Amino acid sequence: GAVVSQHPSWVICKSGTSVKIECRSLDFQATTMFWYRQFPKQSLMLMATSNEGSKATYEQGVEKDKFLINHASLTLSTLTVTSAHPEDSSFYICSARERETGNEQFFGPGTRLTVL
Amino acid sequence: GQSLEQPSEVTAVEGAIVQINCTYQTSGFYGLSWYQQHDGGAPTFLSYNALDGLEETGRFSSFLSRSDSYGYLLLQELQMKDSASYFCAVRGGTGGFKTIFGAGTRLFVKA
Repeated sequence: GAVVSQHPSWVICKSGTSVKIECRSLDFQATTMFWYRQFPKQSLMLMATSNEGSKATYEQGVEKDKFLINHASLTLSTLTVTSAHPEDSSFYICSARERETGNEQFFGPGTRLTVL
Repeated sequence: GQSLEQPSEVTAVEGAIVQINCTYQTSGFYGLSWYQQHDGGAPTFLSYNALDGLEETGRFSSFLSRSDSYGYLLLQELQMKDSASYFCAVRGGTGGFKTIFGAGTRLFVKA
């Protein structure tokens, strides 16, 4: 099956620094990638949808200047958390869909971000 | 906008059958998916229904009624390893590019 990787799997950073998370589709071309955040024992909250070569579409309430998303190629999307604060600590998960008509989202293993 | 409702918790015994319901509201409905997530892990795809009816995949089945904006996931012959969170997710919005997840149902399987 299709595999999506995320790097790093966990990161601890100081408040005010920026953190970049990479999401890669390893064996397929992902025309659409999604970024979610998840708090413990809660649902996945969609942050943004990115299509290769175009600007990401952010969900209401998600600051686009704080959560920078780049989908530069069909196999790579990055999420940069800028000027991180403790309240940004969360589990960030990316997923990818192979084609616009693809029904299944393939999820990465997630990145645990802790901001001190 | 899009919203989904599903029960927060369900408990069942090994070998039993359990049904997890999901009702949704969305504009431009494309389909309803189900995902399983174990603690600390990533969600994994279980099923997708775009048309009314029942889809069966091994021990898991998923049902959709578009007229009722309702679906369910049916798990048969429950095993301990089925203890996990189950999310329904609706694909909708303009062009069907957006997928929104429900709050999730935690399933506890007891011996």
